[in-house]
Amino acid sequence: ETGVTQTPRHLVMGMTNKKSLKCEQHLGHNAMYWYKQSAKKPLELMFVYNFKEQTENNSVPSRFSPECPNSSHLFLHLHTLQPEDSALYLCASSQERGRSSDYGYTFGSGTRLTVV
Amino acid sequence: QKEVEQDPGPLSVPEGAIVSLNCTYSNSAFQYFMWYRQYSRKGPELLMYTYSSGNKEDGRFTAQVDKSSKYISLFIRDSQPSDSATYLCAMSRDTGFQKLVFGTGTRLLVSP
Repeated sequence: ETGVTQTPRHLVMGMTNKKSLKCEQHLGHNAMYWYKQSAKKPLELMFVYNFKEQTENNSVPSRFSPECPNSSHLFLHLHTLQPEDSALYLCASSQERGRSSDYGYTFGSGTRLTVV
Repeated sequence: QKEVEQDPGPLSVPEGAIVSLNCTYSNSAFQYFMWYRQYSRKGPELLMYTYSSGNKEDGRFTAQVDKSSKYISLFIRDSQPSDSATYLCAMSRDTGFQKLVFGTGTRLLVSP
């Protein structure tokens, strides 16, 4: 597989459930990101991992818990979510200060999360 | 005031039209400017990248940056129905790309 792969593609969960989103990148990038995309809003940066170390937590509620076991895998653990957390969750990767041809991020297709 | 402003649309045009998509921004420190295209049920994909002011052309697409006006544009010539997507502008202050700031995206519909 190539690029950035996210699973599952769709997820419906109750407010008391615990679930996890998975992201895997096959690009050899050293930085990975979680973004939240809601209708008519800009992409919201949630977490940044650089060389497996979390370098950014953009005031995200503790009901979202990221995990980065290695530079190719990123998880977002979810628990006791609220209906307003329903959104498209996008994973991205980039080569931080890498080759001149590596501009911007490569995004996965996202997980469409619905909290009921 | 939002850091990046982008009209959400939708913008509807007939096939073959020239399309102009725009963003304005408030932070004069931004130096790197990108356009992403996002098809329905997909993640954004990088379309164009420019550094500082000037124009960049790639096939039917031209990206333009006017730093003095804090205004960036994406022009699409001879638009096709396959260009129907949401176009997001993004920008950052340095090459780290870890602080990309996105616009809301403009939805473009090209009718045959």
